[in-house]
Amino acid sequence: EAGVTQSPTHLIKTRGQQATLRCSPISGHTSVYWYQQALGLGLQFLLWYDEGEERNRGNFPPRFSGRQFPNYSSELNVNALELEDSALYLCASMRQLNTEAFFGQGTRLTVV
Amino acid sequence: EDQVTQSPEALRLQEGESSSLNCSYTVSGLRGLFWYRQDPGKGPEFLFTLYSAGEEKEKERLKATLTKKESFLHITAPKPEDSATYLCALNNAGNMLTFGGGTRLMVKP
Repeated sequence: EAGVTQSPTHLIKTRGQQATLRCSPISGHTSVYWYQQALGLGLQFLLWYDEGEERNRGNFPPRFSGRQFPNYSSELNVNALELEDSALYLCASMRQLNTEAFFGQGTRLTVV
Repeated sequence: EDQVTQSPEALRLQEGESSSLNCSYTVSGLRGLFWYRQDPGKGPEFLFTLYSAGEEKEKERLKATLTKKESFLHITAPKPEDSATYLCALNNAGNMLTFGGGTRLMVKP
C-alpha cells in the first residue's frame, strides 16, 4: 500500500512569490491535515480537510490556503511568501475520525 | 484550549540504559493519544495509538502507557538507532490533532 506522497520534495522561491504544495493521501483516507515545522521547532497545525471541505484552520494568516479535490488529494497554497515561511511542510492523512494519522516525507520550502 | 507538554526536551542515554519520556495533557474530550518518531528532515512515523486510561501498547524496545493526565513512552535497553525525536499528539472531540514539542533522544554507543 502506497503511503502519503508529497511533491515537490524541495522548493525554492523568492520573497513575494507564490508556492503550491501537493499531497496525495493513502488510498481510502478522506481526511488530510497540513502542518508547518520550522527548523528545530514543533509541528504547527495549518489546515484540516475532510470529504472535500475545510473543517478547521490554525492560527495562520489568510495567505495560507488550500483545497481538497474529489479524489481526496490536497494542495496547500502560500501567497506573498515571506522569509519566515521557510519550513518543512507536512501532510498527513487519516482513514476515519479519531484514528492515527500517517505522514508524508514533507516539502522543504525555502524562501530567499 | 487543549495542551500537550512533553518532557524532557532532550535526553541523552547510554546504549542499554532504559528510561521514560513523558507526555502530559489537558483536553476537552480525548479521542486518542498518539506517539510518533521523527528523524531529522523527515515526516513523523506512527508508533502507537492509545484510547483509554490503563491501556498499554508495545513494539520492540518501546512501550506506551496512558493515564487520565499523561502518557509515558518507556524505552528498554535502547540502541543508537533509537535516536530520534519522539512526538506525542492527541485528538479531541473536534478531531483536532495537536502535537507536543517533542523529546529529542540521543543514545550513545
